[in-house]
Amino acid sequence: DGGITQSPKYLFRKEGQNVTLSCEQNLNHDAMYWYRQDPGQGLRLIYYSQIVNDFQKGDIAEGYSVSREKKESFPLTVTSAQKNPTAFYLCASSIAGTGGAVSGYTFGSGTRLTVV
Amino acid sequence: DQQVKQNSPSLSVQEGRISILNCDYTNSMFDYFLWYKKYPAEGPTFLISISSIKDKNEDGRFTVFLNKSAKHLSLHIVPSQPGDSAVYFCAASRLSGYALNFGKGTSLLVTP
Repeated sequence: DGGITQSPKYLFRKEGQNVTLSCEQNLNHDAMYWYRQDPGQGLRLIYYSQIVNDFQKGDIAEGYSVSREKKESFPLTVTSAQKNPTAFYLCASSIAGTGGAVSGYTFGSGTRLTVV
Repeated sequence: DQQVKQNSPSLSVQEGRISILNCDYTNSMFDYFLWYKKYPAEGPTFLISISSIKDKNEDGRFTVFLNKSAKHLSLHIVPSQPGDSAVYFCAASRLSGYALNFGKGTSLLVTP
């Protein structure tokens, strides 16, 4: 059964610590994305990757880092430099190029990160 | 700088009636427009899309209308059902090499 898996569902982090959110897909999609959702803010793009070993910053990349060493995996690290990390994080994947715009993205079920 | 705007944070509609969700955009380079539905603590699910060369696309109870001159699109749900109660996001994209831009969402409540 193809899909996109985010883990963990809930994550607690102490201030000053880095934390990595996992995102794995078995849809054979080339492109992957990370979005952040805050109340009243909609979905804001953090990073995206159209192909392995390449990624681009989105609108709110500061304080985040990513890697794309495998087609199936696109982990997001929330660093201590991110001033307001508490949010709901969503990972998505799509066919690369025009496919993502035409048929949309497949989203994971999200990770809620809380800084304590 | 918000390129996709949903100016109504919430909408309440009676079951069986039409729900109309609106979306405006500022970037004339957008080629595709999409609507997503989202339940709390879940990822959004794709509903329907429309190309900039069309003005209407239908899929069952869902119809999206695009007015390029006004940079405006709308999602019509007919008839509305209680299970349609969710947050609806409008999104837009250029064709290749770009990520989706999302609006802030409109929370739809369909009452029995």
